[in-house]
Amino acid sequence: DIQMTQSPSTLSASVGDRVTITCRASQSIDTWLAWYQQKPGKAPHLLIYRASSLESGVPSRFSGSGSGTEFTLTISGLQPDDFATYYCQQYSSYWTFGQGTKVEIK
Amino acid sequence: EVQLLESGGGLVQPGGSLRLSCVASGFSFSTYAMIWVRQAPGKGLEYVSAISGSGAVAYYADSVQGRFTISRDNSKNTLYLQLNSLGAEDTAVYFCAKSPSVSPTHDFFDYWGQGTLVTVSS
Repeated sequence: DIQMTQSPSTLSASVGDRVTITCRASQSIDTWLAWYQQKPGKAPHLLIYRASSLESGVPSRFSGSGSGTEFTLTISGLQPDDFATYYCQQYSSYWTFGQGTKVEIK
Repeated sequence: EVQLLESGGGLVQPGGSLRLSCVASGFSFSTYAMIWVRQAPGKGLEYVSAISGSGAVAYYADSVQGRFTISRDNSKNTLYLQLNSLGAEDTAVYFCAKSPSVSPTHDFFDYWGQGTLVTVSS
């Protein structure tokens, strides 16, 4: 099974900050990686697929990069609506999620 | 507008059974694969089961293999998950989600329902 490890687990930031979340795969997954945002009590919301493709309707301050085993999600200019938990998901072999990164207000 | 509406959750005793449903609207249901993902209270997301658009191919996480059964009725635009031999470790919110392709392999999930809570307790 492919394991996904996110870091950090929690991130404290301020509005306007540039934020980067890292996701590492236990083996190469090419670019079969998605990022989701989840707010408390809500369903996950797709942000990025194929490692760097922005889902329609998602603000351009979100971007993704990486391939193989190391990936990043960057939020350029954190907005109040962005305080949430973020999950990476590999879909190279079945489906596995990272443990999540909570972005909280500093 | 794509909508997914889960139902069927509730309180069940250990060893019991439940059937979850997910009614889809706003897209051609039979054209797309579907998945069930669960989230235990305060925890992360866990893949449970997935099914192809036709229903011919199904996938299960090791943790539920042999206990859960995924199915779909394309004439009713409805996805199902039959949960048997439930244990406390199955307590979670269960989400259904849609793939952008007919086969879920090599695919992410672009629309999600709001979830239904399953609580296993005596």
